[in-house]
Amino acid sequence: DVVLTQTPVSLSVTLGDQASISCRSSQSLEYSDGYTYLEWYLQKPGQSPQLLIYGVSNRFSGVPDRFIGSGSGTDFTLKISRVEPEDLGVYYCFQATHDPFTFGSGTKLEIK
Amino acid sequence: QVTLKESGPGMLQPSKTLSLTCSFSGFSLSTSGMVVSWIRQPSGKSLEWLAAIDWDGDKYYNPSLKSRLTVSKDTSNTQVFLKITSVDIADTATYYCARRGYYSAHYFDYWGQGVMVTVSS
Repeated sequence: DVVLTQTPVSLSVTLGDQASISCRSSQSLEYSDGYTYLEWYLQKPGQSPQLLIYGVSNRFSGVPDRFIGSGSGTDFTLKISRVEPEDLGVYYCFQATHDPFTFGSGTKLEIK
Repeated sequence: QVTLKESGPGMLQPSKTLSLTCSFSGFSLSTSGMVVSWIRQPSGKSLEWLAAIDWDGDKYYNPSLKSRLTVSKDTSNTQVFLKITSVDIADTATYYCARRGYYSAHYFDYWGQGVMVTVSS
């Protein structure tokens, strides 16, 4: 199975500062069709996960432009600029390039 | 408006069969390219993709659990089911269903609220 390693495990950020989360894959996530099936989800406390980013860098509808996804191959990053209180929760990367689909172990974002 | 909602027994004993239902509205699983997946999350842990069924009735399973999983859908294409046989304590988790696209919309855009399942004797 593809292993997605997220770092850091937790992150404490001052409101208004930037946060950066890394997701490294044990295999390249570029599919034979050229698409990279790498997504980012945020799970707020007590809620279901919600989609932030798909295809590495595409923001889902309604997601603020403070959320920026980047990367290629095996290394991906989610940057959150100007962190706001509603950004707290656990962030997961997810890959659907290889079977079975897998999630990263999560990064918990706390507000200082 | 797209909504999904999971339902299940809440608690069951080890070795029994867990039956879960995902009831949804706002879309039909008969629509070409539509897929519904099951994903679970033990308390305090990460997420695990379990299985999926698509508009054509094709089924996809996580190989690590394949021998114990059965995913199916109803004829009205508004419900998806998941059965897990021979459950044990490790199957204690919150179970989610989520919608995904096959030809486009390659992401889980709508999730259910989740249903908590506890396996205990």
